[in-house]
Amino acid sequence: ILNVEQSPQSLHVQEGDSTNFTCSFPSSNFYALHWYRWETAKSPEALFVMTLNGDEKKKGQISATLNTKEGYSYLYIKGSQPEDSATYLCAFKGDSSYKLIFGSGTRLLVRP
Amino acid sequence: KAGVTQTPRYLIKTRGQQVTLSCSPISGHRSVSWYQQTPGQGLQFLFEYFSETQRNKGNFPGRFSGRQFSNSRSEMNVSTLELGDSALYLCASSGTPDSGANVLTFGAGSRLTVL
Repeated sequence: ILNVEQSPQSLHVQEGDSTNFTCSFPSSNFYALHWYRWETAKSPEALFVMTLNGDEKKKGQISATLNTKEGYSYLYIKGSQPEDSATYLCAFKGDSSYKLIFGSGTRLLVRP
Repeated sequence: KAGVTQTPRYLIKTRGQQVTLSCSPISGHRSVSWYQQTPGQGLQFLFEYFSETQRNKGNFPGRFSGRQFSNSRSEMNVSTLELGDSALYLCASSGTPDSGANVLTFGAGSRLTVL
């Protein structure tokens, strides 16, 4: 059974704080790592897809890094805003499977 | 272009009944996957279809089934409903399942309550 772990489970920060969270996944048979943002009452939306060890992606104030050899990815938010409040999900795809395996998510609350 | 459309959005059933949920993918997307989300759990993979064929199945009992039609629309069915089947069921589509780099586009979900 493949496990995708995310930490922390939840995070409360003040507006303007920078924050980061972790996604751990199997380090063997890696194919791709996805990040999604899921706001309350909305559908999950894709943030990044990363496929190469050492990949770094950036979208506005959000960025992500990938280490496939040790099996982790970091998501960073610089200068959090209340509208960044959401659950952030990562999902792993191994090269022998068609399915994405999701972590349980990190729930971020940014207080004004 | 229109997004992923799921119907119904909300439904209430009683134990022992069966339910059918529908998903229309983004036009041109041929892969549809289904996920279940229950409180405190991440998205649990149910199944994935491509060109009317089930390509992968998650660890759910046989009461959970699905299919995909020639227009890529998909349905999932849950028979003999149990209280634990109460959940949000999300459908997602992507261009092809053969590239894990293709992002999923999710629908708004169908929230099922079993009484």
